Amino acid sequence: EIVLTQSPGTLSLSPGERATLSCRASQSVSNNYLAWYQQKPGQAPRLLIYGASSRATEDRFSGSGSGTDFTLTISRLEPEDFAVYYCQQFGTSPYTFGQGTKLEIK
Amino acid sequence: QVQLVESGGGVVQPGRSLRLSCAASGFTFTLSNYGMHWVRQAPGKGLEWVTVISYDGNTKYYADSVKGRFTISRDTSKGMLYLQMNSLRAEDTAVYYCGRYDASVQGMDVWGQGTTVTVSS
Repeated sequence: EIVLTQSPGTLSLSPGERATLSCRASQSVSNNYLAWYQQKPGQAPRLLIYGASSRATEDRFSGSGSGTDFTLTISRLEPEDFAVYYCQQFGTSPYTFGQGTKLEIK
Repeated sequence: QVQLVESGGGVVQPGRSLRLSCAASGFTFTLSNYGMHWVRQAPGKGLEWVTVISYDGNTKYYADSVKGRFTISRDTSKGMLYLQMNSLRAEDTAVYYCGRYDASVQGMDVWGQGTTVTVSS
């Protein structure tokens, strides 16, 4: 099983700042099939990034990385971006999630 | 519009069974692009992947935590996805989401609103 470790656990920033979230895999993710999701309280997750770097949402969100190290960057934080972010790998079953990074307002 | 709607959650005693349903609409359920997943979230916890079924129902994978107890299935004629949960345990208590995996997107791009399962005596 591929274990995904996200860091930091909590990130405190202000609107307008840049956010950098990390997701590290215990082994290489096949074909870089790594997705990022945003989840707000009481809501289902929302797909942000797929294939490690392809965007499914607003262009202030970007993904990068390959193999075992992946990054989600939010270029300029908007008030609605404060939420929990998860990575998930689809390279090998079981299709595990990271434990999440909570992005909170400073 | 493209939509997934879960149902079937509730309160159940340990050791009992429950079947969750997920109704798909607004897209061609049988397209080879679309696998269907169940993901759960225990109260105050992160997301946990549970199981997946291929577009044709021929391939299924399970998390170790549910293997041998849960069974995923789909009825393509009805556009329905199911999760049969047997031998339920307290640790199965969670919100259960169904999600569509689009192979051309390589991610779960459509999610239901979730249905809550509580396992308690």
